[in-house]
Amino acid sequence: EVQLVESGGGLVQPGGSLRLSCAASGFTFSDYWMHWVRQAPGTGLVWVSRIKSDGSSATYADSVKGRFAISRDNAKNTLYLQMNSLRAEDTAVYYCARQRMAANDYWGQGTLVTVSS
Amino acid sequence: QSVLTQPPSVSGAPGQRVTISCTGSSSNIGAGYDVHWYQQLPGTAPKLLIYGNTNRPSGVPDRFSGSKSGTSASLAITGLQAEDEADYYCQSYDSSLSGYVFGTGTKVTVL
Repeated sequence: EVQLVESGGGLVQPGGSLRLSCAASGFTFSDYWMHWVRQAPGTGLVWVSRIKSDGSSATYADSVKGRFAISRDNAKNTLYLQMNSLRAEDTAVYYCARQRMAANDYWGQGTLVTVSS
Repeated sequence: QSVLTQPPSVSGAPGQRVTISCTGSSSNIGAGYDVHWYQQLPGTAPKLLIYGNTNRPSGVPDRFSGSKSGTSASLAITGLQAEDEADYYCQSYDSSLSGYVFGTGTKVTVL
């Protein structure tokens, strides 16, 4: 059974940093591109970042470019999102999701990040 | 702000058919990139409903169908059921943004 479990969310002050993790199981993690998607309270889904299966290439939404860094450890079956210079508008539930056939076929349950003083 | 526009809400009685539109542009849907649809029940993670414009993953009822034409796509739900009450999002790739984009989302209400 495919499972994606996010962790690392919490309360952080503006300007602070946080690293999210997504533990994958039930599939060959190194075969799949992976994504981060976020959803601010009461709003819609927003794509954040994507990384290729071997970690060789990553892309970012303009809103996080230069502040966030996606990475993966295929030996540990884990996806990461390093978030720096956090702003109030980064407050959201962050989901990791697997990509298959260009769509996100499996999603984690999400982890809440709150940026507030 | 999203580059894919959906109606904020649609509603229908049980058994009826409803459609949700997803309007894009020449840099995303109109450029030939596939459209995918997701269902998000209250308090849960999104679930893939349609991929590659028209394809249903295993386990998704055939009451759900997708189509694409020009710079737009649509999701149709036939035989509407109470359990279909949820938020629905379209998704595609945008070449001018060099990234993936979601629609603004549509809340489906079963009357």
